[in-house]
Amino acid sequence: QKEVEQDPGPLSVPEGAIVSLNCTYSNSAFQYFMWYRQYSRKGPELLMYTYSSGNKEDGRFTAQVDKSSKYISLFIRDSQPSDSATYLCAIGTDFYGQNFVFGPGTRLSVLP
Amino acid sequence: EPEVTQTPSHQVTQMGQEVILRCVPISNHLYFYWYRQILGQKVEFLVSFYNNEISEKSEIFDDQFSVERPDGSNFTLKIRSTKLEDSAMYFCASRNTESYGYTFGSGTRLTVV
Repeated sequence: QKEVEQDPGPLSVPEGAIVSLNCTYSNSAFQYFMWYRQYSRKGPELLMYTYSSGNKEDGRFTAQVDKSSKYISLFIRDSQPSDSATYLCAIGTDFYGQNFVFGPGTRLSVLP
Repeated sequence: EPEVTQTPSHQVTQMGQEVILRCVPISNHLYFYWYRQILGQKVEFLVSFYNNEISEKSEIFDDQFSVERPDGSNFTLKIRSTKLEDSAMYFCASRNTESYGYTFGSGTRLTVV
């Protein structure tokens, strides 16, 4: 079983839709969770960071963590064409991310 | 906004040659990292560097790899004898003491032929 799994997509949605992106993980020692956005041929860009179960909201983005199910989600409200990118979850055991494991990423296309 | 700068953006090298990938981290950051991403695959940790020494490295970071901070601004990754399977995007990242997560550079695409 892989440490971190993501549906690779591609996921295509119309502009304005609510997008749900998900990751599952196998190691219960993972306590810290990040979501990165990666545009084509660019480095990953940190979107959200959380370390507790529950929801964390930042603008149109909401990160949700369910440690009991080892399942995390990123919701994007009112999706825009500029949200078209690959979304990576990164999960780790320490605060500073030295041992973070990245998921393979989900490619999202938001169609105007 | 401060950014991590990587050069070159693309490098083509022959198998067996040495390459040096260069990075200029954000100026007040103290922790530096190299990651790689083989085309279509996930981002993989290579090495972390703090206080002028390697703090952690992955299984990928074997004796062919080395890192250096030759001056106060540059952070380099050297691959001594490149192999075809070293072809990938190499990302440099940095962070400061208080922050979580990293700031990544735009990457160097290394192609070994």
